[in-house]
Amino acid sequence: KAGVTQTPRYLIKTRGQQVTLSCSPISGHRSVSWYQQTPGQGLQFLFEYFSETQRNKGNFPGRFSGRQFSNSRSEMNVSTLELGDSALYLCASRASPGTEAFFGQGTRLTVV
Amino acid sequence: DQQVKQNSPSLSVQEGRISILNCDYTNSMFDYFLWYKKYPAEGPTFLISISSIKDKNEDGRFTVFLNKSAKHLSLHIVPSQPGDSAVYFCAASSGTYKYIFGTGTRLKVLA
Repeated sequence: KAGVTQTPRYLIKTRGQQVTLSCSPISGHRSVSWYQQTPGQGLQFLFEYFSETQRNKGNFPGRFSGRQFSNSRSEMNVSTLELGDSALYLCASRASPGTEAFFGQGTRLTVV
Repeated sequence: DQQVKQNSPSLSVQEGRISILNCDYTNSMFDYFLWYKKYPAEGPTFLISISSIKDKNEDGRFTVFLNKSAKHLSLHIVPSQPGDSAVYFCAASSGTYKYIFGTGTRLKVLA
């Protein structure tokens, strides 16, 4: 059974640009969540989607957005990139609430 | 407001001994807790979870203990192995889709 797939693995962008990250969940999982990891900050929750609907959102500015498609694949978009957006962005999928989430390997975003 | 706290940023343990990683939480509505292990440049890997209706869950070398009155959970690894060296995150949820993670504890198992 294939795991969670995130693309691309690495990305370098310039301040002010926008970026789109992609996540394909485990087959059959309808819930996809996104997290940002920065040094010393642990994993900060961005948002979660279930059946194409955003169910929960973390405390991030509106520059961070996402969506989920009918095949459960999800994309995350960050507009007007800032240096502080440099981080590892992780996607996780799970079968239903109250079950363990399985993470992808992440996308390392560097903003210069 | 850090609802899930891992107060020890790092821990070193001799191979073969017990590793105990601790996690405290403040939200009494949390009802599901998990531990993840993370290597550099990889996504977290699920280790073990526990529901709030239990106080202990065991899976091989890994045991999670939950003390609801103290709002504390711990992960015991026995015996510790060098391959266990990684960053460990605890996470909690309250029946929603959102996990709250701690800041992690870096475990180093010395051979």
